[in-house]
Amino acid sequence: EDQVTQSPEALRLQEGESSSLNCSYTVSGLRGLFWYRQDPGKGPEFLFTLYSAGEEKEKERLKATLTKKESFLHITAPKPEDSATYLCAVQAGTGGYNKLIFGAGTRLAVHP
Amino acid sequence: EPEVTQTPSHQVTQMGQEVILRCVPISNHLYFYWYRQILGQKVEFLVSFYNNEISEKSEIFDDQFSVERPDGSNFTLKIRSTKLEDSAMYFCASLSGGTDTQYFGPGTRLTVL
Repeated sequence: EDQVTQSPEALRLQEGESSSLNCSYTVSGLRGLFWYRQDPGKGPEFLFTLYSAGEEKEKERLKATLTKKESFLHITAPKPEDSATYLCAVQAGTGGYNKLIFGAGTRLAVHP
Repeated sequence: EPEVTQTPSHQVTQMGQEVILRCVPISNHLYFYWYRQILGQKVEFLVSFYNNEISEKSEIFDDQFSVERPDGSNFTLKIRSTKLEDSAMYFCASLSGGTDTQYFGPGTRLTVL
């Protein structure tokens, strides 16, 4: 069964304190791995898609990396506005239109 | 920037009543989805829709659920006889077909009493 596990469940950082979030997955035929940000009471907001091991994507203070078994979301010098839940999702099979399978997310709180 | 919209933002209903949740996907998108998120739990796939028919559905999407694209812009999720356990945030998403990115709406919070 396709599965996504995220750790830690919650993370508290001081502003400027860099860290990494982990997403490990088991999926039969990974097509893509997606990172989304979710603010309380809102819908997931797309951040990155990764397709193959060794791939990296960056956006502002965030960098996502992918290996054959896991992905990391590195947050460099975070600010309070980076506080949110970060969701990892995988897409299996060959179709880019296939469903997403989500992990439970990591709740990030960045304090000034 | 184009975005997915959903109405209402919050729906309160009595158990056994029918509800219709509405979504307006991004205008040139071809694939449409419903997901739900029970409070404190994962986002779960319900159904995908393409070319006016269901492409895939999950075990959650039983006979009480249906989807429709009644015109060129709206995409709806109907729950015929709501149960307490249907209380959740329901998210609509759409995808253009030219990329793999599903864009999500802000959600409808459904509360079944």
